[in-house]
Amino acid sequence: NAGVTQTPKFRVLKTGQSMTLLCAQDMNHEYMYWYRQDPGMGLRLIHYSVGEGTTAKGEVPDGYNVSRLKKQNFLLGLESAAPSQTSVYFCASRPNLMVGSNQPQHFGDGTRLSIL
Amino acid sequence: KQEVTQIPAALSVPEGENLVLNCSFTDSAIYNLQWFRQDPGKGLTSLLLIQSSQREQTSGRLNASLDKSSGRSTLYIAASQPGDSATYLCAVSPSGSARQLTFGSGTQLTVLP
Repeated sequence: NAGVTQTPKFRVLKTGQSMTLLCAQDMNHEYMYWYRQDPGMGLRLIHYSVGEGTTAKGEVPDGYNVSRLKKQNFLLGLESAAPSQTSVYFCASRPNLMVGSNQPQHFGDGTRLSIL
Repeated sequence: KQEVTQIPAALSVPEGENLVLNCSFTDSAIYNLQWFRQDPGKGLTSLLLIQSSQREQTSGRLNASLDKSSGRSTLYIAASQPGDSATYLCAVSPSGSARQLTFGSGTQLTVLP
């Protein structure tokens, strides 16, 4: 059972380049989330989705876009990468509230992204 | 805006010691609180989830308490082992439908053999 899988695991970009981070979950979860984690700080929410075809902004959405075309996938895009986006990115998922309102979020292992 | 604080930022203890990690939050209107473990280079593993109506949850050597009115939670680890060395994060979920989490910055625990 793979759970939440993030690709790639590592990436180095130059300023101004674009890329897409992929998150895939095989647990049939409705809700999916993208967080970033910077040194000495907790995780901060970038964007989230409560179902296929829906997305919403989190705490730090600027410079990022997301898409949820399929229920199992949640994509995070950087259109023009900046050094301030150097971080570790985590994806998470959880069931919808009908399954259980107090279900924990399940996390992937993260994508380590460096912007030069 | 919800803010979550964890003190201390780092803790080093000898093996076998009982220890307490602290978490505080500014807005008591939470739906639940979770404690996570993060190993270096890895994702987060959920340890315990406490609903807002509960006072504590236990799993093995771990016990988490919640005092919603004072905005505090503690994670108690009994008889610590070197394998417990990791960063421990607490996070709160609001009553909103998306259940998004607000995290503290974590406590880095080192258990010395």
